[in-house]
Amino acid sequence: EAGVAQSPRYKIIEKRQSVAFWCNPISGHATLYWYQQILGQGPKLLIQFQNNGVVDDSQLPKDRFSAERLKGVDSTLKIQPAKLEDSAVYLCASSLDETGYQGYTFGSGTRLTVV
Amino acid sequence: AQSVTQLDSHVSVSEGTPVLLRCNYSSSYSPSLFWYVQHPNKGLQLLLKYTSAATLVKGINGFEAEFKKSETSFHLTKPSAHMSDAAEYFCVVRIYGQNFVFGPGTRLSVLP
Repeated sequence: EAGVAQSPRYKIIEKRQSVAFWCNPISGHATLYWYQQILGQGPKLLIQFQNNGVVDDSQLPKDRFSAERLKGVDSTLKIQPAKLEDSAVYLCASSLDETGYQGYTFGSGTRLTVV
Repeated sequence: AQSVTQLDSHVSVSEGTPVLLRCNYSSSYSPSLFWYVQHPNKGLQLLLKYTSAATLVKGINGFEAEFKKSETSFHLTKPSAHMSDAAEYFCVVRIYGQNFVFGPGTRLSVLP
């Protein structure tokens, strides 16, 4: 089966600019996650979708971050305006259902550098 | 609340020698536990998982981990390291109804 697709792989922007990341999960996976991985740390959950509804966005900085999954398939994560501390790898993952019982499948990530 | 501690930020072994990456967790309920590996510029790949079945879990690439409830540990081992094992390893804990919590990671170096 095809894996989780993410684009772009790399992005460099100046602070206060906006940026968007795209994710296409594994076909049939109802649950989609966005994680932020700062250098030297483990991934931190930003938002979880179940189909096109938000299950958990408690750690999403809503003043600057937004995400959507309008048709319950692919998803976009946006940052506007970006800050230096947003420099990180943004990982998308999907699982068959919201329990994640069998684990998540991760994409290769988008490495964001804010200068 | 659940949490994960990976006791070593960096482990260095020689090729052909055993690998031990340590993980301890804190959870009020019976957890599911996972080990993921991340090679440079690659996504996270599932190595193995414990979900309340056998306490000794075998994964891919010769890795295995043992769940010890009394010690709240889930250490990852491999009998003989290979150069291709050099990567970052993450221990992950999850209890039902909540999301994954990642440990800070252990970087494994394999020396020739």
